[in-house]
Amino acid sequence: KQEVTQIPAALSVPEGENLVLNCSFTDSAIYNLQWFRQDPGKGLTSLLLIQSSQREQTSGRLNASLDKSSGRSTLYIAASQPGDSATYLCARTSGTYKYIFGTGTRLKVLA
Amino acid sequence: DTGVSQDPRHKITKRGQNVTFRCDPISEHNRLYWYRQTLGQGPEFLTYFQNEAQLEKSRLLSDRFSAERPKGSFSTLEIQRTEQGDSAMYLCASSLTRQLMNTEAFFGQGTRLTVV
Repeated sequence: KQEVTQIPAALSVPEGENLVLNCSFTDSAIYNLQWFRQDPGKGLTSLLLIQSSQREQTSGRLNASLDKSSGRSTLYIAASQPGDSATYLCARTSGTYKYIFGTGTRLKVLA
Repeated sequence: DTGVSQDPRHKITKRGQNVTFRCDPISEHNRLYWYRQTLGQGPEFLTYFQNEAQLEKSRLLSDRFSAERPKGSFSTLEIQRTEQGDSAMYLCASSLTRQLMNTEAFFGQGTRLTVV
């Protein structure tokens, strides 16, 4: 079964901390790994896309890495802010191009 | 183009009624996806289109669900004889696929369905 697992399920940190969100997947034959942010009751906002030939992507305070051999991706958030509070979802695609999602990590950054 | 657009944003319906949702993807995107999301879960794949062709349907998509993308542009998702278990957020996404490479997927704001 092609599964995506995200750990931790929930995380609460004080403002300013650097943090790492984890995503693991069972199918190493991935094409893309994409990280999304979801605010309560809203749709998904794309954060970073890592294609299979890449190992990491950066955007502002966000850095995502991909290690296909170990079946893992991490999302690093530097200097967290209360506005970063949201659910973070990772999703991978493989041969069929459909996105398979994890259950997400609910992040709360305390002011 | 302002991104993926979904209509309506919210729908409350009585059990047994039919509902139809619309998705307008980003204009040059050839792939269109439908997902369903319940509280506390990640989105679950329902179906996707490449242009007007429906290439894959999930086993979650019972025969009460049908999706179309008649001209390879907008798509509709219809649920017939709605049940309370159909209550969820229905999300649409689009992406551009070139030479077997799938680019970034963009999601709409979703349609929240409540069946009473």
